[in-house]
Amino acid sequence: QSALTQPPSASGSPGQSVTISCTGISSDIGNYKYVSWYQQHPGKAPKLMIYEVTKRPSGVPDRFSGSESGNTASLTVSGLQAEDEADYYCAAFGASQLFGGGTKLTVL
Amino acid sequence: EVQLVESGGGLVQPGGSLRLSCAASGFPFTNYWMNWVRQAPGKGLEWVANINIDGNEKNLVDSVKGRFTISRDNAKNSLFLQMNGLRVEDTAVYYCARNIGFETFDFWGQGTLVTVSS
Repeated sequence: QSALTQPPSASGSPGQSVTISCTGISSDIGNYKYVSWYQQHPGKAPKLMIYEVTKRPSGVPDRFSGSESGNTASLTVSGLQAEDEADYYCAAFGASQLFGGGTKLTVL
Repeated sequence: EVQLVESGGGLVQPGGSLRLSCAASGFPFTNYWMNWVRQAPGKGLEWVANINIDGNEKNLVDSVKGRFTISRDNAKNSLFLQMNGLRVEDTAVYYCARNIGFETFDFWGQGTLVTVSS
C-alpha cells in the first residue's frame, strides 16, 4: 500500500485543459482500481467529481474526465472555467492514506 | 434530496470530550456505510472512521484508535462520533460522508468545527 502523491499546484488559462496526477495507485479487487476525485472550494464541503477512475456522477460536467495508467491516476479538466478554481483531491481504495495531499488549481 | 447535517462541534480543552452527530435524510440510511472525514485548518482531507450498515463493523485511523468511537442509530437516521482524550492535533472541520462503495463518498455534510485549545 502506497501513499498518494499529488502536485501541490496546477494552473491554466480559461479554455485550456489541465491534468492533475495522483501517483501511488495500486491494483486491488481483481486488478480493478477504485479511484475517486473530489473538488473543494474554500469553506465548502468536498464534492465527488469522478469515481471508479473514469465515471462521472450525475450533474458533473463532461469537461471533467478521469484516467489511469500504471500506478498513476489523472484528472483532466478541459475548457477551463473560472469556477473550476478549487482544491482537488484524489482518493484510492487500498492506499495507505485514503486521500492524496491535494492540488490547488488556479485559473489564470 | 440527500442531506447530511453535522452538529456538536465546538471549543474544548485538551483531554476533553465531544460527541458529533450527523443527521441523514433523503435516502435509505440503512443501506449505506457511513464515514467521518476531517480537515485541519489549511490542510488536506483525512479519513477518520467508517461504520457498516448495521453498526457491527467499525474502522478507525490509527491516530484516533482508543480515543474515538463511531456509532449509528438507524432508527433515527443518525451517525455519531464520540471523541475522548482530545488533542490539539484533532482540531479540524469534521465531515460526515455517505459511502457508495470502496471508500467513494458521494454526499458530504457541511462540516462541524472542532477546536481543541487551552
